[in-house]
Amino acid sequence: EVQLVQSGAEVKKPGESLKISCKGSESSFNNYWIGWVRQMPGKGLECMGTIFAGDSDTRYSPSFRGQVTMSADKSLNTAYLQWSSLRAADTGIYFCARQKIYGWGSTGWFDTWGQGTPVIVSS
Amino acid sequence: DIVMTQSPDSLAVSLGERATINCKSSQSLLDRSKNENSLAWYQQKPGQPPKLLIYWASTRVSGVPARFSGSGSGTDFTLTITSLQAEDVAVYYCHQHYSSSYTFGQGTKLEIK
Repeated sequence: EVQLVQSGAEVKKPGESLKISCKGSESSFNNYWIGWVRQMPGKGLECMGTIFAGDSDTRYSPSFRGQVTMSADKSLNTAYLQWSSLRAADTGIYFCARQKIYGWGSTGWFDTWGQGTPVIVSS
Repeated sequence: DIVMTQSPDSLAVSLGERATINCKSSQSLLDRSKNENSLAWYQQKPGQPPKLLIYWASTRVSGVPARFSGSGSGTDFTLTITSLQAEDVAVYYCHQHYSSSYTFGQGTKLEIK
C-alpha cells in the first residue's frame, strides 16, 4: 500500500522562503498526479493545484497561481511545494494527496493522503 | 470554478440515529463519458488527514462501514450515515473532480447529541 510521508512542521518569519516535501513509498509515485491541499486554522480544504510526478506537468488552481511553486523529483519519488516570500496568511496545514487516474488519463478523487505539514508564519 | 455548497454547516445527531449531509454543486458533475458523477466524500477527524469514504457519488471505499452511503446525481448529492456511532464524529467534505479546480465543500461538522 502506497504511503505519502511529508516533511516536518515549520516555523518561519514573514518574507522567508520555504520548501516542503511529500515522498512516496513506491516508484509508482511517478505515475500519479499529486495534489496539494491547504487547510487554514479551523477552516476547510482548498486544492492549491496538482503535479504529475513523472514529468512535472502542473495545474494550479486560480487562487494559488503565482503564490506558490509545485515541483517534483522523480528520481526521489518526491513532490515539493515552495514559497519565495511567506506571509502570515500562509499559516496552515498543507497536505499532499495522490489523485486517482481512470480511463484515458482522467483525474479523480484523492485516495491516499500524507500526514500534513503544519506551517506557522509569524514575526 | 465549480462552487460546492454543503448543508448544514453543523449537525448533532443521537447515537444510533441517521445523519444526512447535503452537497450542491454550481454545475452538473455528471461525466457523460463514464455515466458517473465526479463527486467524492471525505471524513476528517481532529489532527488527522482527510480519509476517502465514497467516490463516483455512491461507491463506498473498501473497508468503509456499510452505514455510510452516498447518493445523488447532477448537482445534488447526499451522504447518509445510518445508525450513528461515536467514532463517526468528524467533519465531512464533498469534493468535485469534474473540473481541474478540484473544489471542496466548506465542510459539515457532525457531533453527538
